[in-house]
Amino acid sequence: QLQLQESGPGLVEPSETLSLTCTVSGGSINNNRYYWGWIRQPPGKGLEWIGSIYYTGSTYYNPSLKSRLTKSIDTSKNQFSLELSSVTAGDTAVYYCARIMYVTMVRPSGIDVWGQGTTVTVSS
Amino acid sequence: DIQMTQSPSSQPASVGDRVTITCRASQSISNYLNWYQQKPGTAPKLLISAASTLQSGVPPRFSGSGSGTDFTLTISSLQPEDFATYYCQQSYSMVFTFGPGTKVDVK
Repeated sequence: QLQLQESGPGLVEPSETLSLTCTVSGGSINNNRYYWGWIRQPPGKGLEWIGSIYYTGSTYYNPSLKSRLTKSIDTSKNQFSLELSSVTAGDTAVYYCARIMYVTMVRPSGIDVWGQGTTVTVSS
Repeated sequence: DIQMTQSPSSQPASVGDRVTITCRASQSISNYLNWYQQKPGTAPKLLISAASTLQSGVPPRFSGSGSGTDFTLTISSLQPEDFATYYCQQSYSMVFTFGPGTKVDVK
């Protein structure tokens, strides 16, 4: 059974760069039927799409975060990563990595597998 | 960006009630609409994809309908384990967007 696990620091200082990695187990990330993505949820609020990446390295970002975002994928390690620069308190959230279905290969579909989430707090 | 709205934002309900949640997109998204259930402290769970396709293991009391800009999630007979927050999400655009959520709580 496919599992995703986020890893990274729980505390980041303002203006620094947040780096998170998602490790995929029980299946290969090198698969043309899925995208891989990041979603976050500030405390007590709703879900916010961050971005997605395909196994080829193609990326799609939330426009509101695009200037601060870098995503990468390492198929040899079965991992994908997120870097968010110049963080502020507004970036405090639970960050989820996830798998997005692309079975039709026309447009993506639902997010069918989620990591358990990792809490990131931005504070000095 | 495609904006998603949901109504109501809160739905008090009792066990056995029929619950309907609506989701509207700011432009046509065909049937690229997905529904999730989230309980406190846990990751969201995909219930329905492509507007009406029930995911494996999801009870048949959940159903989805709609196309274009207007969509509906229906719980035919609310069970105790269904008290949660429900989100819609469009995947028509590669920049995904979520609705603000509907909290189904105890009346």
